Amino acid sequence: QSALTQPASVSGSPGQSITISCTGSSSDIGTYRYVSWYQQHPDKPPKLILYDGGNRPSGISNRFTGFKSGNTASLTISGLQAEDEAHYYCSSYTTSSTWVFGGGTRVTVL
Amino acid sequence: DVHLVESGGGLVQSGGSLRLSCTPSGFSFTTYWMHWVRQAPGEGLVWVSHISGGGDDRNYADSVKGRFTISRDNAKNTLYLQMDSLRAEDTAVYFCVADRVYFAMDVWGQGTTVTVSS
Repeated sequence: QSALTQPASVSGSPGQSITISCTGSSSDIGTYRYVSWYQQHPDKPPKLILYDGGNRPSGISNRFTGFKSGNTASLTISGLQAEDEAHYYCSSYTTSSTWVFGGGTRVTVL
Repeated sequence: DVHLVESGGGLVQSGGSLRLSCTPSGFSFTTYWMHWVRQAPGEGLVWVSHISGGGDDRNYADSVKGRFTISRDNAKNTLYLQMDSLRAEDTAVYFCVADRVYFAMDVWGQGTTVTVSS
């Protein structure tokens, strides 16, 4: 159950687009479409922003989009805003019938 | 509005036990999968355990297998996590999470803090 690999930090200026990668293996991302992404602000619980690779729950901005290819998934935030500054985590279902998270990526809005 | 409220966290000595509880409001959780996820201070999210709606399918992270037991009482609308043989590395905020979209965690509680002293 190794954690998925994410960059520790990504930054961008307001209005720009940024992309966060999430690399797994054939035991998780490479086998299932069940990749989800979570946003966590300091001292708050995480919030689901994408599931099944690219579906957005009700109320989530369409500035958040997801993509998956092979063993890697990605989250793109378009039109970066100050409120997007947070930690972001990817997660995937695995062939062991478990779930695994990535180590998290800190997004900074310059 | 949907909510999950955890309780049962606290300070316990290494080797001790705790039982966490989670109660939903605003939705009936009897048909939904549920998870426990933890987050150590300053660290990332770690999936701990999952249980199916009927309670017949349960899964655990290797780090807690054999020590933690997830269960649910649908009549009481309550999810549990029995934690035995606790270790210092189990110190974390434990989140109760509902999975209403299958394979993703869409409703999170505020978390309850477990501190294991060595």
